[in-house]
This record gives sequence, C-alpha cells and structure tokens, in this order.
Amino acid sequence: EVRLVESGGDWVQPGGSLRLSCAVSGFTFSDHYMDWVRQAPGKGLEWVGRIRTKGKSYTTEYAASVKGRFTISRDDSKNLVYLQMNSLKAEDTAVYYCARCFLDSSGYYDNDSWGQGTLVTVSS
Amino acid sequence: DIQVTQSPSSLSASVGDRVIITCRASQTIGKSVNWYQQKPGKAPKLLIYGASNLQSEVPSRFSGSGSGTDFTLTISGLQPEDSATYYCQQAYIPLWAFGQGTKVEIK
Repeated sequence: EVRLVESGGDWVQPGGSLRLSCAVSGFTFSDHYMDWVRQAPGKGLEWVGRIRTKGKSYTTEYAASVKGRFTISRDDSKNLVYLQMNSLKAEDTAVYYCARCFLDSSGYYDNDSWGQGTLVTVSS
Repeated sequence: DIQVTQSPSSLSASVGDRVIITCRASQTIGKSVNWYQQKPGKAPKLLIYGASNLQSEVPSRFSGSGSGTDFTLTISGLQPEDSATYYCQQAYIPLWAFGQGTKVEIK
C-alpha cells in the first residue's frame, strides 16, 4: 500500500523557519519525483514545488510565491522528502501536502498519491 | 507561467444530473491536464489524468475531455457522494498549477 505521512507542522512567527518531513512507504521512493502542495484555510490548492530523482540530479522547481525561501530535499536512503521553509509569512499559513509525482502509462504526469497534510500556522 | 482558469466556481445540481466543469489554460498544453476531487478535511483524490484517462477505481460516471487550451470534466449521473470541490491541474512541465476549484453541491 502506498503511504505518505507528513509531519513537522507547527505555529511559527513571521520571519521564522520550519522544516516539514514526508515519510513514504509502499513504493520505490527513489524512482519518483515528489511534490509539495499547500492549501490555505478555506482556499484552493497551490502547487509549491518538486524534487526530481537522482537520475535527474535531484533538480528542483518552485512556484514563484516560494522561490528563494523554500527548499525541497530528499533522502532516498530513508524514504524521506523535506520542505525547508524560511522567511515565513502569514500568507504561508496552510495545510501542506506531499504528493507522489507519477508517470502514467499514457505518458502523462500526475499526483496520484497524497499524504494527509500537516498544518503550518504563521502568526505573531 | 501557465495559468488555468476554472469555471464555474460553484454549482448546485440534483442527483442524476449531468455536471460539466471547464478549465482553460493560458497557453496550449496538449493533454497535460489532471482532475482531482477533494472533500472537506481530506487530501485531494486523482480522478482523471492526461485529460481523458480515468484513474483506477474511479467510477465511470466521471469523464474528461479536451486538448490544447480547453478541457472539461463531466459527471454523468450525479450521486450524493459526489458533493465535493473539484480542481483541474495543468501538468505541463516544469511548473504546475491548479485551477481555482469548483464546489459541487447536491440540491
């Protein structure tokens, strides 16, 4: 069974930092790109970023809203993906989901498996 | 960046109705659109990938179509359990984006 479990969500003051973790099981983690997606309270989904595999040099992509402040990394030996968040702002308050990036047989990518999410609250 | 505009933002329909949700991309993206269903307090669930491919174990009343810039999600025969918010996602590399969401309510 594919399973993703996020942790690390907390309350943090503006300007602070936080690191989220996502532990995965049930599939060959090292073969898959991994995404982070967030959802502010009562709002829609926002794609945050992606980390690719070792074969793609662990390259990353970020949404403009977080670029330069957030960093995604992974530890293939531990089946973990991380989201380091610095210089946090009130507008970063959201539930953060990790999601597997899957290449389907038709040749299209999607987020086919998701964690349950972890809440980050940025407030003074 | 490629943006996607989803409409309507909400709708109310009766059990058995056909419901259509549209998604328009700001530039051509082939068939790189996915559709998700999200219920309150839950993670999104993939329904359709590659614009028209039904994800495993998703009921066949859900279907997707379109290519280029215009895409649709159709629910044929709305069921009470379909009450949820639906999102399109443009998955055209390298930066992805979601539509604003469509809240579907049952009359």
